[in-house]
Amino acid sequence: NAGVTQTPKFQVLKTGQSMTLQCAQDMNHEYMSWYRQDPGMGLRLIHYSVGAGITDQGEVPNGYNVSRSTTEDFPLRLLSAAPSQTSVYFCASSYRLRNSPLHFGNGTRLTVT
Amino acid sequence: EDQVTQSPEALRLQEGESSSLNCSYTVSGLRGLFWYRQDPGKGPEFLFTLYSAGEEKEKERLKATLTKKESFLHITAPKPEDSATYLCAVQDTDKLIFGTGTRLQVFP
Repeated sequence: NAGVTQTPKFQVLKTGQSMTLQCAQDMNHEYMSWYRQDPGMGLRLIHYSVGAGITDQGEVPNGYNVSRSTTEDFPLRLLSAAPSQTSVYFCASSYRLRNSPLHFGNGTRLTVT
Repeated sequence: EDQVTQSPEALRLQEGESSSLNCSYTVSGLRGLFWYRQDPGKGPEFLFTLYSAGEEKEKERLKATLTKKESFLHITAPKPEDSATYLCAVQDTDKLIFGTGTRLQVFP
């Protein structure tokens, strides 16, 4: 039972490069989301989706793009990487948008130089 | 302003030394409070959900309680394997707010 799978685990980018962080879940969850975790700050929501074809912005969406073509997959795209995007990124899923425990992947540690 | 504050930031305990972690919150409409455990290099792992003041949940050496302004995570007779960062998250009417966590170290 894989749960939420994120790839890659580590990534180094140069400023201005683009890349896609992959996220897949096998629990048939409707709700999926992306968070970033920075030292001294709580997890912050980047984008989320309540089902295939539906996405919305979270607290810190600038510089990121998402799409949800299937229930299972929710990739996060960095359009033009900046050093401020150096962070650990977590994908999470749950049964519904509110009051449902989140299941997290093990994260992608991204460094932008 | 909606806010979730966890204290202490870090806690060092001897094995068997019981203690409590605090999560205080200021939100307009509490819909639920979540506790997660996060090990280094891993994603947060769900522990408990609490919905109303007075509610308590237990799992092994952990017990979570909730009042109208705060939640406590009590750790009874901790073991080294309980070492982790414990995160609290509060579901407001339309958003989920995470605290910054308490880093717990338990020494043999």
